Amino acid sequence: QSALTQPASVSGSPGQSITVSCTGTGSDVGGYIYVSWYQQHPGKAPKLILYDVGHRPSGVSSRFSGSKSANTASLTISGLQAEDEADYYCSSYTSSSAFYVFGTGTTVTVL
Amino acid sequence: EVQLVQSGAEVKKPGESLKISCKGSGYSFPSYSIGWVRQMPGKGLEWMGIIYPRDSDTRYSPSLRGQVTISADKSTSTAYLQWSSLKASDTAIYFCARAPIIIFRGPISSFDFWGQGTQVTVSS
Repeated sequence: QSALTQPASVSGSPGQSITVSCTGTGSDVGGYIYVSWYQQHPGKAPKLILYDVGHRPSGVSSRFSGSKSANTASLTISGLQAEDEADYYCSSYTSSSAFYVFGTGTTVTVL
Repeated sequence: EVQLVQSGAEVKKPGESLKISCKGSGYSFPSYSIGWVRQMPGKGLEWMGIIYPRDSDTRYSPSLRGQVTISADKSTSTAYLQWSSLKASDTAIYFCARAPIIIFRGPISSFDFWGQGTQVTVSS
């Protein structure tokens, strides 16, 4: 099972919206709602920001939203802020023997 | 308050054994699964495996099966990750994380709480 594919980096100016893609297959992203997104600041543990494609845990800003179309999931950050600069990882349940898989990770830079 | 507290950093030599821990508090430990995630230096997240503390059933990533052992002790609300013979390539930060159980032994929805990470360094 290969990792889900994400762009290595995405950047935007404060206040702009950016989108991070996450491409898998019909055995993972395309086949289930169990897609989640994590934010990781340098030297810190990952933090769950979206689960089941587009649901936000309590306390997570509404500036984070998620969607899915076929085998690609997307994370959109609207009203980009300096504190959003971090690494972002998607993940999904997979029906393959791997059971669970993370994306390759995307570094979001606020210009 | 839900917390996962991991054991401290370790420095080991190749061939040595190691067991690191992850203690849960603030919730019913048997009612959630615990996963382990590896992050090698400068790299991304890699799922290693998961345990259901209710009956200690485990699932492993095929690439790591046989390389590590995941276990749990319900009585102390603690999960463990262990190696019998470390290699230099095991050098990484290891995170434990809690996963709500949607269907017992079924799909993982997400990891909603994470431990702070344990740095493991293997060097001669």
